[in-house]
Amino acid sequence: DAGITQSPRHKVTETGTPVTLRCHQTENHRYMYWYRQDPGHGLRLIHYSYGVKDTDKGEVSDGYSVSRSKTEDFLLTLESATSSQTSVYFCAISVAGASTDTQYFGPGTRLTVL
Amino acid sequence: AQKITQTQPGMFVQEKEAVTLDCTYDTSDQSYGLFWYKQPSSGEMIFLIYQGSYDEQNATEGRYSLNFQKARKSANLVISASQLGDSAMYFCAMRAGSARQLTFGSGTQLTVLP
Repeated sequence: DAGITQSPRHKVTETGTPVTLRCHQTENHRYMYWYRQDPGHGLRLIHYSYGVKDTDKGEVSDGYSVSRSKTEDFLLTLESATSSQTSVYFCAISVAGASTDTQYFGPGTRLTVL
Repeated sequence: AQKITQTQPGMFVQEKEAVTLDCTYDTSDQSYGLFWYKQPSSGEMIFLIYQGSYDEQNATEGRYSLNFQKARKSANLVISASQLGDSAMYFCAMRAGSARQLTFGSGTQLTVLP
């Protein structure tokens, strides 16, 4: 258990509304990530953070913004949700190991945009 | 750019038999790492095994081993003595060079038959 929680776990919203997903970790890891999972695509990186207020874009960042004001929280915001953003969203953290850093994932948030 | 290819959308294996899940990768970086994750029907992503590009030995973790063939750019996952609980989606992923993020394949759905 890597001590990662995501909230909400499920959300249904309407096109055009703002949505914020929260990722919370309890172990003060520096790196945090947001991925989305869609059928046939595996997981794709949206944004990641390498410290408080330090973030960078991933492969599929259009339409998303992130914020990290505290080490333990990484927020993903859809400013105006679209149906193409219907997906399962996973947060991850990097944990240093003997040979490499390994990413561990939260339980996921299933988002449906109608 | 990095790419992971998993060519087997679905696989079946009889309980107690071994199974190999294929993964090929493409990167121009000399330093990279390969990861396998398991996603059961409950949805969470579970880290299984890691192989570094400079590791001389194939990685093993319990019933999981990674058949790493660097010249062929393949990193196949071998599960020995399959169990019903091994039925899940399996993802191969790579982190290359100085990148922090993982690049995922599209996954292989494994079904273990009793």
